[in-house]
Amino acid sequence: EAGVTQFPSHSVIEKGQTVTLRCDPISGHDNLYWYRRVMGKEIKFLLHFVKESKQDESGMPNNRFLAERTGGTYSTLKVQPAELEDSGVYFCASSPLVGRQGTEAFFGQGTRLTVV
Amino acid sequence: EDQVTQSPEALRLQEGESSSLNCSYTVSGLRGLFWYRQDPGKGPEFLFTLYSAGEEKEKERLKATLTKKESFLHITAPKPEDSATYLCGLRSWGKFQFGAGTQVVVTP
Repeated sequence: EAGVTQFPSHSVIEKGQTVTLRCDPISGHDNLYWYRRVMGKEIKFLLHFVKESKQDESGMPNNRFLAERTGGTYSTLKVQPAELEDSGVYFCASSPLVGRQGTEAFFGQGTRLTVV
Repeated sequence: EDQVTQSPEALRLQEGESSSLNCSYTVSGLRGLFWYRQDPGKGPEFLFTLYSAGEEKEKERLKATLTKKESFLHITAPKPEDSATYLCGLRSWGKFQFGAGTQVVVTP
């Protein structure tokens, strides 16, 4: 079974440019999460999709970040325009939608974004 | 507000020297306490899920335990391949929240 796939694995862009990160979750996983780790600090929650709906986007830093999940399958995270402080590693994770108890989330390898 | 605090930040062990990592948490409505391992340049790899106080899970040299306020990850007789950053996370009503992690280095 394929795991969570993210691409690109690395991206270097100039300040002010636009970058789009993509995540393909494990097939059948309705929950999809975006996280990022900045400057070696803890992994910070960005947002949570259930199927194609945004369940929680409380972690999105500002309106330069836009996440979408087309048809409840893959998701994209667009940063426009990128700023230096957006540099970091962006992780995507997915998990199945189950009853009251949570199940573990499976992570992708991450996209390392460098804004210069 | 839900919080996860891990200690120590870093741990250096000799091969075979057992130790424990701590994860303290406060949460309203715990729906799972999770341990992950992360190697450099890779995404977090799932290790354990604990749901209720008193629960324990084991995998090779690792054992995770849970109380109402904290979780421990015990590493018994570690080997160099156990070197990694260990992340503790919790799930409450949807999102996963993680601690800063404990970086473990095991030397031969």
